[in-house]
Amino acid sequence: GENVEQHPSTLSVQEGDSAVIKCTYSDSASNYFPWYKQELGKGPQLIIDIRSNVGEKKDQRIAVTLNKTAKHFSLHITETQPEDSAVYFCAASMGNSGYSTLTFGKGTMLLVSP
Amino acid sequence: KAGVTQTPRYLIKTRGQQVTLSCSPISGHRSVSWYQQTPGQGLQFLFEYFSETQRNKGNFPGRFSGRQFSNSRSEMNVSTLELGDSALYLCASRPLASSQETQYFGPGTRLLVL
Repeated sequence: GENVEQHPSTLSVQEGDSAVIKCTYSDSASNYFPWYKQELGKGPQLIIDIRSNVGEKKDQRIAVTLNKTAKHFSLHITETQPEDSAVYFCAASMGNSGYSTLTFGKGTMLLVSP
Repeated sequence: KAGVTQTPRYLIKTRGQQVTLSCSPISGHRSVSWYQQTPGQGLQFLFEYFSETQRNKGNFPGRFSGRQFSNSRSEMNVSTLELGDSALYLCASRPLASSQETQYFGPGTRLLVL
């Protein structure tokens, strides 16, 4: 089955700095790569996603890049703010079957210091 | 639209008991997936239901089961609880069960087994 590796497990930055979280996946048939943000006491919330026919996608301060050849994708957050502090998860779909589901990375705890 | 709702939010049980958790998907969504989240294992897929049928199942023992009703609401049941079943149980819904559809998560049910 699919395996998703996520690095780093923790990331501390100063407010205003950029943060980068990287993920690799094993199943070359995976075609959907969402990123979720989970705050304490809440369920994961989708922040951005990318599909395999796109190499990069941006939404304000958040961007995701996908390299299908190398089987890795990354989350970039610019101008970080204290409210960006949370656990971030990457995920990959298991393939092209009609009823595939998501495999998650272990998560990255991002701490943004004022 | 209202988001995914889960009840109860918190639950305390003792070893050997059984528990039933409930999930109401976003209106119009027919697919419901269940995940177990623990600090050590992260987010692990339990099963997915679509149109009252289990479509996918993760690598969990038979003590974990679920069902889906005609209104797409879903329940999961854990029998003969073990200490290791203590976790946050999350459900997620999406319109169908396509591999490229966004999954929207509920706030989760936190289960503590004593």
